[in-house]
Amino acid sequence: DVKVTQSSRYLVKRTGEKVFLECVQDMDHENMFWYRQDPGLGLRLIYFSYDVKMKEKGDIPEGYSVSREKKERFSLILESASTNQTSMYLCASKTTGFHEQYFGPGTRLTVT
Amino acid sequence: ELKVEQNPLFLSMQEGKNYTIYCNYSTTSDRLYWYRQDPGKSLESLFVLLSNGAVKQEGRLMASLDTKARLSTLHITAAVHDLSATYFCAVDEGKSSGDKLTFGTGTRLAVRP
Repeated sequence: DVKVTQSSRYLVKRTGEKVFLECVQDMDHENMFWYRQDPGLGLRLIYFSYDVKMKEKGDIPEGYSVSREKKERFSLILESASTNQTSMYLCASKTTGFHEQYFGPGTRLTVT
Repeated sequence: ELKVEQNPLFLSMQEGKNYTIYCNYSTTSDRLYWYRQDPGKSLESLFVLLSNGAVKQEGRLMASLDTKARLSTLHITAAVHDLSATYFCAVDEGKSSGDKLTFGTGTRLAVRP
C-alpha cells in the first residue's frame, strides 16, 4: 500500500513564525504536491514537484516555498506565517502517467 | 484556466434513494478522478476514468465520463448512511501541466434514515 505521511496532524504557530511542513512517501513516486483545503474552496494547489530539486508553482504559491532534496520528501515552508494561512494542508504523491494521487492525512495549521 | 464545477454542493438524501452528482469541466481532458473525504480525514481515491465513455462501479457508486460533454457523473444507488462524506472530482490537465489535478469544490453528501 502506498503510504504518504505528514509530520504533524495539528500545528499552532504565531504570526511571523517560519513554519515547516514535511511530507514523506514510500512508493518511489516521481511527483509530489502540496494543497491547501478551505471550506467552500475545495483543494487548491500550492506547489508541485516532478523530480528531485525541481519545483513548479501551482495556483496559489504566494507566501509559500518548497524544497525537495530527496525523492521521498517534499517540504512546504511558510517563510513568515500569517493568519490567512490558517488552513488544512494536504500532501499528495503519484507516479508519472495516468494514475491517481495518493494523499497524506493532512496537517491542520492554525496561525494566531 | 481550467475550471471544475460540481453540483450540487450539498445533498441531503434519504436512505434507499438514488441520486447523481455532476462534475463539469472547462477544457479538453480525458482523465478524471473521483475522491471521497470523511470528516477530519484525508482524501481516498474512488475511481479513475481514463477515456470517453468510461464507466466504473464499486458497490452503490458508479462513475462515468463523457469527454465530449466535459461531464462526469457519480451515481448513488440505494444510499446508505455509510456513504455520508464529501465527494470531489478532479481533472488531470495532462503531462504538459505536470500531471497536476484541478479539483471541484466538493459535494457534501448526508444520508439520513
